[in-house]
Amino acid sequence: EPEVTQTPSHQVTQMGQEVILRCVPISNHLYFYWYRQILGQKVEFLVSFYNNEISEKSEIFDDQFSVERPDGSNFTLKIRSTKLEDSAMYFCASSGQIRTYEQYFGPGTRLTVT
Amino acid sequence: DQQVKQNSPSLSVQEGRISILNCDYTNSMFDYFLWYKKYPAEGPTFLISISSIKDKNEDGRFTVFLNKSAKHLSLHIVPSQPGDSAVYFCAASEYFSGSARQLTFGSGTQLTVLP
Repeated sequence: EPEVTQTPSHQVTQMGQEVILRCVPISNHLYFYWYRQILGQKVEFLVSFYNNEISEKSEIFDDQFSVERPDGSNFTLKIRSTKLEDSAMYFCASSGQIRTYEQYFGPGTRLTVT
Repeated sequence: DQQVKQNSPSLSVQEGRISILNCDYTNSMFDYFLWYKKYPAEGPTFLISISSIKDKNEDGRFTVFLNKSAKHLSLHIVPSQPGDSAVYFCAASEYFSGSARQLTFGSGTQLTVLP
């Protein structure tokens, strides 16, 4: 069964450093998403991406965040200058063309900013 | 932001019995609702969805009921199995222009199925 994969599973970084979280969505999916879950809080939408551009972004997704689909398979989230409050689980998701609301999630990357 | 609410943080049921998980929402523009299951250290796993124009959708042991007038949905699991023990999230989607969607999640309910 096809699945979304994410690397790394855990990333530790120092405040102010740049991190890149990587995702490989399901191969025939066209819509890609990033969500995050801070410990003890809800899963929150960050950004959606379609046709090589951002479709929607939340107020959390400020100028320090960017997304890219550098090739035909990878989808990345870059955080330019990490802050302590960026520590969270980051989930990548993808959905197909017909039921775009049915999003399939990866296992997540745990980002710890020290 | 409390557009999707799951008021029960936990639920315990006996194996073989019915589990009923509840969810309320406030945004009448939501047009699809979904349930996800999540195990520790894993991502949410899609279980079942329902359109706002329907009141019931069934898939095996899982049935989702939607009461649009009450802005309430529920997930029924029958019969419950120990492997169903996980956190269950309710999520809702609203259509915007363009076709990508964002999901708004509830806070989750920890289901424990006792053998």
